[in-house]
Amino acid sequence: TQLLEQSPQFLSIQEGENLTVYCNSSSVFSSLQWYRQEPGEGPVLLVTVVTGGEVKKLKRLTFQFGDARKDSSLHITAAQPGDTGLYLCAGQNTGGFKTIFGAGTRLFVKA
Amino acid sequence: GAGVSQSPSNKVTEKGKDVELRCDPISGHTALYWYRQSLGQGLEFLIYFQGNSAPDKSGLPSDRFSAERTGGSVSTLTIQRTQQEDSAVYLCASSLRSGSKDTQYFGPGTRLTVL
Repeated sequence: TQLLEQSPQFLSIQEGENLTVYCNSSSVFSSLQWYRQEPGEGPVLLVTVVTGGEVKKLKRLTFQFGDARKDSSLHITAAQPGDTGLYLCAGQNTGGFKTIFGAGTRLFVKA
Repeated sequence: GAGVSQSPSNKVTEKGKDVELRCDPISGHTALYWYRQSLGQGLEFLIYFQGNSAPDKSGLPSDRFSAERTGGSVSTLTIQRTQQEDSAVYLCASSLRSGSKDTQYFGPGTRLTVL
């Protein structure tokens, strides 16, 4: 069974601080996605990474896929209250449809 | 255009009752997924529909759970004889096609509470 472990589970920081969220597995994935979910809504896709070592940037968010495609990280620079939410990583395999989700990191950014 | 919609948004039921949850996917999307999200947890895969192919039901937790997709569009998830452990948010997602790198668009979910 493929599993994705996210850490930390909960993070409360002050506006302007930097943070990193980790997503780890013992399994290899062909692609990995990061989602953000706000209360009462479904997850919204932020990014998909597919190549080992790949780095993608989305404004203040930097996503990295591990060289072995078993892990990923999300780094947020100068966090803002609008970044508050549940961040989920999810992995998929080539030709497959099942998406394996991590349990999520709940981020709270205080003004 | 319209996104994925789900109804009802909230459902409170008594233990032992049957419930039906509805999902309207984005028009033209051939793939449809149902997930369950318990409090503080990630998403648990339940069932997957792709076009006219037989659905993959491997994620359904028991035979009390079933789902159908009529005309390749609207889907209904049915839970019979509900139990308290069925309480969760049920999320539906649709995508243009299956496979890795395919973007799933999620509905807002149905929050089910079994008393």
